[in-house]
Order: sequence, then structure tokens, then C-alpha cells
Amino acid sequence: GQQLNQSPQSMFIQEGEDVSMNCTSSSIFNTWLWYKQDPGEGPVLLIALYKAGELTSNGRLTAQFGITRKDSFLNISASIPSDVGIYFCAGQRTGNQFYFGTGTSLTVIP
Amino acid sequence: EPEVTQTPSHQVTQMGQEVILRCVPISNHLYFYWYRQILGQKVEFLVSFYNNEISEKSEIFDDQFSVERPDGSNFTLKIRSTKLEDSAMYFCASSHSRAEEKLFFGSGTQLSVL
Repeated sequence: GQQLNQSPQSMFIQEGEDVSMNCTSSSIFNTWLWYKQDPGEGPVLLIALYKAGELTSNGRLTAQFGITRKDSFLNISASIPSDVGIYFCAGQRTGNQFYFGTGTSLTVIP
Repeated sequence: EPEVTQTPSHQVTQMGQEVILRCVPISNHLYFYWYRQILGQKVEFLVSFYNNEISEKSEIFDDQFSVERPDGSNFTLKIRSTKLEDSAMYFCASSHSRAEEKLFFGSGTQLSVL
């Protein structure tokens, strides 16, 4: 299957700091979705991106669809303790399925 | 806000037994999916379903797996003879359309095969 690599794998940051993470692939994708997953819960959709270069915000979250269509970025500004969780990117090519990234685990230290 | 609901939240079964995982997708959604996540790993696609038939499936979705939409609201995943390696969190998801698709997930069923 398609490999979507997320980096960093984990992050430990102080409350109030900004966070950046990315998702890269060797293949082109037509849609990127970003999810947050809490332990024992399902992924919750944060942001959806449909066009190369698109920049979309959702509150303190901003995501971008890379120009090459092989990557996407997620930024969180002014992190708070409830931002803790695992963040997944998911890319869709031409079929139905979304391929999920390897995840970035975020820990926010109060 | 509409949500995807899954039952049961936990299922424990003996190896070789059949299990049925149940999902109620968001009511006006047309595309339905099952994904699974082995503990500590990424989410993996199993199958997609549209217009009462499977539209795409992964290598994981072998002939031990089947899906069904028995009525207008439920969407089920059946594992005919469970194996130890089927232990995982199974997520149902749904979307309204393929154009600018947004996938919404349920909270999952944790399946433990003993």
C-alpha cells in the first residue's frame, strides 16, 4: 500500500508554543485530511484539503496542501493541554480509500 | 451534530468464532467504510461500500470478511472465523459524497480474539 510518512514521530512541547508537523509521500494525492485521535477513540476530522497549494484554517489549526501534491503540513498555534493526542494525515488518490500516515504524537507540557 | 455510532464498544471472542461489528453511519451519507487499527499502529483501510455493493477492498479484506447493509441504517462487518491477528480496533466511517470527500469515523469497536 501507499506509504505516508509523518514527521516528527513525536513531539514534547511547552504550552503556548507553536507546533508544525508534516506528511510526505512518493505518490501524488488529490485530497488530504488531517485527524486527531485520542486514546481509545476514533479519529476526529480537523481539516480537509482538496487543491494543491490550498491553505485552510480551523481555529488555531492551519493546514496546507503541498504544491507538489505529495505532501501536506499541519500547524497548531499557541498549543494548549487539550491538543495532546496523535495527529494523522490521510491522503486519497483516485480510488475510494484513504491512506493514513504513521502519526505524530503530541504531548503538551503545562 | 450527526455522528457515526458503533456497537459494541468492546468485543471479546474465541479464535475461530464469528463476530459481527455494527455501525450506523450518518443518515444522509452514501459511502461507507471499514478501517482497522492494530494497537500502536496506523489506521488501515479494509473496504468501501456504495450503492449496496463493495466498491474497493484491501488485501486485508479476504474471504473471511464480509460487509452488509441489511436495512436503511445499519452497516455491518462480519468476520467469519476470527484469528488472533484480527485483534484490533475496527472503525466504521462514512461520507456524503466523493467530491471534496470528508470521512467521519465512529468511536470504534475494540475486538480481542483469544
